[in-house]
Amino acid sequence: NAGVTQTPKFQVLKTGQSMTLQCAQDMNHNSMYWYRQDPGMGLRLIYYSASEGTTDKGEVPNGYNVSRLNKREFSLRLESAAPSQTSVYFCASSTQGLNTEAFFGQGTRLTVV
Amino acid sequence: GESVGLHLPTLSVQEGDNSIINCAYSNSASDYFIWYKQESGKGPQFIIDIRSNMDKRQGQRVTVLLNKTVKHLSLQIAATQPGDSAVYFCAETPTGNQFYFGTGTSLTVIP
Repeated sequence: NAGVTQTPKFQVLKTGQSMTLQCAQDMNHNSMYWYRQDPGMGLRLIYYSASEGTTDKGEVPNGYNVSRLNKREFSLRLESAAPSQTSVYFCASSTQGLNTEAFFGQGTRLTVV
Repeated sequence: GESVGLHLPTLSVQEGDNSIINCAYSNSASDYFIWYKQESGKGPQFIIDIRSNMDKRQGQRVTVLLNKTVKHLSLQIAATQPGDSAVYFCAETPTGNQFYFGTGTSLTVIP
C-alpha cells in the first residue's frame, strides 16, 4: 500500500529553470493538495484540487501551476524557479468533504541556486 | 489569512512522563482540527482529530482537548516514549478544503 508517492525526493535547480513535481495516490481520494514547508514555519497550501478536473489556489500560489492529470495524479510546476522557492514540498490527498484527514507523501526537497 | 500558532516551539520531557503540546487558533468558524506528527525527513502523519462539537477525544496514549471559548487546542501524550520525539503540528479548517497549519512544536524525549 504505497499511499501518496512523490517524485523526485531531491532536486537542485538553477534560477530560471523549470521543473515539475509529480504526485500520485492510490487511495482513490478525490482531493489532492500541494504544500510547501519552510524552516520555522508550518505547511502552507500552494494549490489544491477538490476533485478531478478542478484546481484552486491556496495561500501561496504565485510562481506555481498545477495539473490534475486524473484522479490519481496531481503535479506541481515551477515555470521559472527562484531562490525563494527553495523549500520542502509535500503532496497530500484526502477523501472529499469536510472533516477528513489528509495523507501526506514523503516530500521533495528542492533547492534553487 | 489564518493564524494558527503554538505556545512553545520546543518541549523536552523525560521518558515516561506526560507531554502537553498547545495550539491557539484564530478562526472561530473552524470546525475540524487535526494533530499531525512529523518525524525527521518524513511527511506529516495523522495522530488524532476532533470536531468542533466535541471538547475531548481520546486515542491510544493521546488525548486532544478543544476549548472553543478561548480558541485553544492541546495534545496530551501519556507515558511519552523515545519514539514520540518529533515535530507536532496542529491544523484547522473552516472549509474542509484548506487546512491551516501551525508552526510546529519540537518534542524531545529524554531517555
